[in-house]
Amino acid sequence: EVQLVESGGGLVQPGRSLRLSCAASGFTFDDYAMYWVRQAPGKGLEWVSGISWNSARIGYEDSVKGRFTISRDNAKNSLYLQMNSLRVEDTALYYCVKGSEYGSSSFDYWGQGTLVTVSS
Amino acid sequence: QLVLTQSPSASASLGASVKLTCTLSSGHSTYAIAWHQQQPEKGPRYLMKLNSDGSHSKGDGIPDRFSGSSSGAERYLTISSLQSEDEADYYCQTWGTDIQMFGGGTKLTVL
Repeated sequence: EVQLVESGGGLVQPGRSLRLSCAASGFTFDDYAMYWVRQAPGKGLEWVSGISWNSARIGYEDSVKGRFTISRDNAKNSLYLQMNSLRVEDTALYYCVKGSEYGSSSFDYWGQGTLVTVSS
Repeated sequence: QLVLTQSPSASASLGASVKLTCTLSSGHSTYAIAWHQQQPEKGPRYLMKLNSDGSHSKGDGIPDRFSGSSSGAERYLTISSLQSEDEADYYCQTWGTDIQMFGGGTKLTVL
């Protein structure tokens, strides 16, 4: 059974940093691209970042470029999102999502999310 | 620019069928998409990948009541024999090189 378990969310002041983690199990982690998707309260889904199976291809949504960094550790079956210079508008539930292929693709499994609140 | 357009809301009666639409922007009519369901207060769930020729592959445990089809730049999700638990937000998703995109979502109400 595929499981994606996010952690690291919390309340943080604007301008500060936070690192999200996602522990993956139930599939061969290094065969698939992985992604972060967020959902602000009462809003729709927004793709944040993605990373290919071997970390060679990485993409970011425009509003997080230069502030967020995605990475993965295939030996630990883990995905990360380093979030710097956080803004109030980054407040959202952040989901770890599995891609269906090694590169850019559809999403086929979702975690339950970790809540990030940016507020003074 | 790659954009997905969905109607904000739809409604249908219990036991009936409903067809939701996701429209790809001009120049992207050959793109595949995926459909995801988000029930109230829950995380999203993958329903299916839908290709431009209408072929589709569903996620684990997705009932036969859910099907997909395509016509030009439009991608459809049809839900038959509507049940109360089908009341949810439905999002389409597509992808390009190093980029992903969601539609704005359709809120389905089961009457």
